[in-house]
Amino acid sequence: EADIYQTPRYLVIGTGKKITLECSQTMGHDKMYWYQQDPGMELHLIHYSYGVNSTEKGDLSSESTVSRIRTEHFPLTLESARPSHTSQYLCASSERRETQTGELFFGEGSRLTVL
Amino acid sequence: AQKVTQAQTEISVVEKEDVTLDCVYETRDTTYYLFWYKQPPSGELVFLIRRNSFDEQNEISGRYSWNFQKSTSSFNFTITASQVVDSAVYFCALSERLNGQNFVFGPGTRLSVLP
Repeated sequence: EADIYQTPRYLVIGTGKKITLECSQTMGHDKMYWYQQDPGMELHLIHYSYGVNSTEKGDLSSESTVSRIRTEHFPLTLESARPSHTSQYLCASSERRETQTGELFFGEGSRLTVL
Repeated sequence: AQKVTQAQTEISVVEKEDVTLDCVYETRDTTYYLFWYKQPPSGELVFLIRRNSFDEQNEISGRYSWNFQKSTSSFNFTITASQVVDSAVYFCALSERLNGQNFVFGPGTRLSVLP
């Protein structure tokens, strides 16, 4: 069982609101990632971090921002939510060194709906 | 560019039937890694298997088996004697490195196992 947690699981908000999706892992992993997934669609990487104070943008352009002040915490923020931001956001982590399995550990996701 | 195709959008089977999920990939790299993940209704992605490009040995794990055919760029997944708990979306993924930055996910196949 993976020890990576996301809150909130579900969020419905109005346009223009600022929101932060939380992601925490207790496995001591250095690498963390945010993926965006539309219903029934593939995952797209929007942000990643290889350690504290390290953040990079992923393949899919996103208006969200992230921070990595602590190893275990990788929050994602939308300053002004819009309906186009409606999606599921999945957080993942993996070890720094290339492990034998190359496994990504995923949280349960945060499903965001912007009205 | 890397690409993963899962031609089957949705599959429905009756419990105890065998089912094969197809995965075809494209890459110019000679070294790469292939993965299968399961996404149950709860939302998190669960790692099932990783296969290296230089290891074409097929693998069996309980009711699960994987057939890697480099000649046809396919990495198919078979569930034998399917069960209702197998109902989920299954993602095939490709990576040239063992980290989430370079993961390319397929669109997923939604499997419904009916009692």
